[in-house]
Amino acid sequence: AQSVTQLGSHVSVSEGALVLLRCNYSSSVPPYLFWYVQYPNQGLQLLLKYTTGATLVKGINGFEAEFKKSETSFHLTKPSAHMSDAAEYFCAVRLQGAQKLVFGQGTRLTINP
Amino acid sequence: GAVVSQHPSRVICKSGTSVKIECRSLDFQATTMFWYRQFPKQSLMLMATSNEGSKATYEQGVEKDKFLINHASLTLSTLTVTSAHPEDSSFYICSAEKDQGLSQPQHFGDGTRLSIL
Repeated sequence: AQSVTQLGSHVSVSEGALVLLRCNYSSSVPPYLFWYVQYPNQGLQLLLKYTTGATLVKGINGFEAEFKKSETSFHLTKPSAHMSDAAEYFCAVRLQGAQKLVFGQGTRLTINP
Repeated sequence: GAVVSQHPSRVICKSGTSVKIECRSLDFQATTMFWYRQFPKQSLMLMATSNEGSKATYEQGVEKDKFLINHASLTLSTLTVTSAHPEDSSFYICSAEKDQGLSQPQHFGDGTRLSIL
């Protein structure tokens, strides 16, 4: 069965510092990969996705993620954190041929002034 | 865009009440919608997949008689929590797919916080 692991339930960085949120998946076939952001008491907003093609994908709000098949990873990065980036981030995968999304447990990002 | 509207955003009601939550795709047609439940500080748990014009597919452990899902049109799916009890208190979120194809993302509503007294 496929699963998604987000290493670190809570990540704290200083404003202006690099943001790195980790996501690893377990699947014998590369799935479709997504990163979502959730602000308090709201639904999820799509940041970016990887389906095929270029392994480095750029999303909204300055975020990007790189699909590394050899490492079964899809880590999310942002060069310079902003206070408004404080939120919960979810990595999700969808196995090719499957309808359901499988979510990681989420990483809460805190930005220190 | 791909806007999903969920209503109401918050419900507080007495134990034993049935509560209906609506999920609408405002600017696209959605043949498939999904209902999730999220407990505090936890991830989303898929409850059921709602297909327009057919019965919903429930995940293991989700009571279909407790959580009634109706997807009567291409823009509306409803979740009814029947005879709600305090343990049903949670954050319920719906999502919809704008386009066919599994590489497409799901678009989420803003959620409904249900509190049963």
